[in-house]
Parts: sequence; C-alpha cells; structure tokens
Amino acid sequence: QVQLVQSGAEVKRPGASVKISCKASKYTFTSYYMHWVRQAPGQGLEWMGLINPSGGSTIYAQKFQGRVTMTWDTSTSTVYMDLSSLTSEDTAVYFCARDRDYGSGTFLSWGQGTLVSVSS
Amino acid sequence: DIQMTQSPSSLSASVGDRVTITCRASQGIRNSLAWYQQKPRKAPKLLLYAASRLESGVPSRFSGGGSGTDYILTISSLQPEDFATYYCQQYSSTPLTFGGGTKVEIK
Repeated sequence: QVQLVQSGAEVKRPGASVKISCKASKYTFTSYYMHWVRQAPGQGLEWMGLINPSGGSTIYAQKFQGRVTMTWDTSTSTVYMDLSSLTSEDTAVYFCARDRDYGSGTFLSWGQGTLVSVSS
Repeated sequence: DIQMTQSPSSLSASVGDRVTITCRASQGIRNSLAWYQQKPRKAPKLLLYAASRLESGVPSRFSGGGSGTDYILTISSLQPEDFATYYCQQYSSTPLTFGGGTKVEIK
C-alpha cells in the first residue's frame, strides 16, 4: 500500500521560509507525479503545484509562482516543497498527494499533512 | 483558471436519506472531475473520478454523473460514516481547482 510520510509541524515568523518533505514508499517513485495541496484552518483545498519525479519538471499555480519551489531526491524517494516569504495567510495544513495514474491529476494517496503556523 | 462552484455549502440530513451535491465548472471540463470526502483532521479520500467512476473500495451508495460544466454526487442512502465534507475537483487543466466544499451534517 502506497505510503506518503510528511515531516512534522513547523512554526515560522513572517518573512521566513519553510521546507516540507514527503517520503514515498511502496511504489515506483518516478512513475507518478506528486502534488502539493494546502488547507487553511476551516477552509477548502487549494492546489499549489506538482512535480514530476522523473526528470523534475514542475508546474506551479500562478498564485505561488516566485515563492514556491518543489524538488525531489530519487535516492530517498522524497519530494520537498519550499515556500518563502511567509505571511499569516500561509498558515495551513500542507498535504502531498500522489496521482492516481501517471499524469491523471486525481489524488488517490495522500500524506498525513503538515501544519505550518506563521505568527510573529 | 477554471472556477468550481459547489452547492449547497452545507446540508443537514438523516441516516437513510438520499443526498445530492452539485458542482458547476466555469467552462467545460470533459468529465475530468473527481469527488473527495474529508473528515476532520484527516486527508481527503478519493471517491470518484472521471465524473462517474467509483474508486476501488468505495461503497456503491456513492455515484456521480454529469457532463460539460455540471456534475453531481449522489449518496443513495446516507450512512453514519458519511457525515463529512465533500469536495469536487477538476483536472481538465492546470491550475487544478477544487470546489468550496459541502459539509454534510446530521439532522
């Protein structure tokens, strides 16, 4: 069964950056895109972007362009999401989610979520 | 960007009720629509994709339909474990976008 294990909760000051990891297992890491989705407290789901672990190509939502960087490490089957210039609006739970099928854009497997709190 | 509008935003229903949630896209999405269920403090769970295809392991009381811009999720007989928030999501084009959610509460 596919497993996605994310790094732990973070508390950051406004203006700082955060880097969250998502370690994948029990499937071929390079065969599926990985997405990042966030959810602010009491709010809905927001797609941030994706990375193709086969080569590292990325697509970011326009809203996060210039602030987000998604990277990968094939040797550890881990993807990373780095978000900079944090504000209180970035307080949210961040999920990694794997495509159901290669390039499908539907999310079958999810990480457990990482809470990022931004506060002065 | 394709905007996804769900309705209602919340509803109250009883066990055994038939529940329908609608999702409208701002442009045609060619059945590239998924539905998710989310319970508090949990990650979402994929219920259906391609508008009407049931994900493996999902009970058959969940069904989906629609075409073009308008889609529906139906729960034929609401069960206690179905009280949750439901989201639609289009994957016709990036940015991938979600509806605002429908919270199904116990009447």
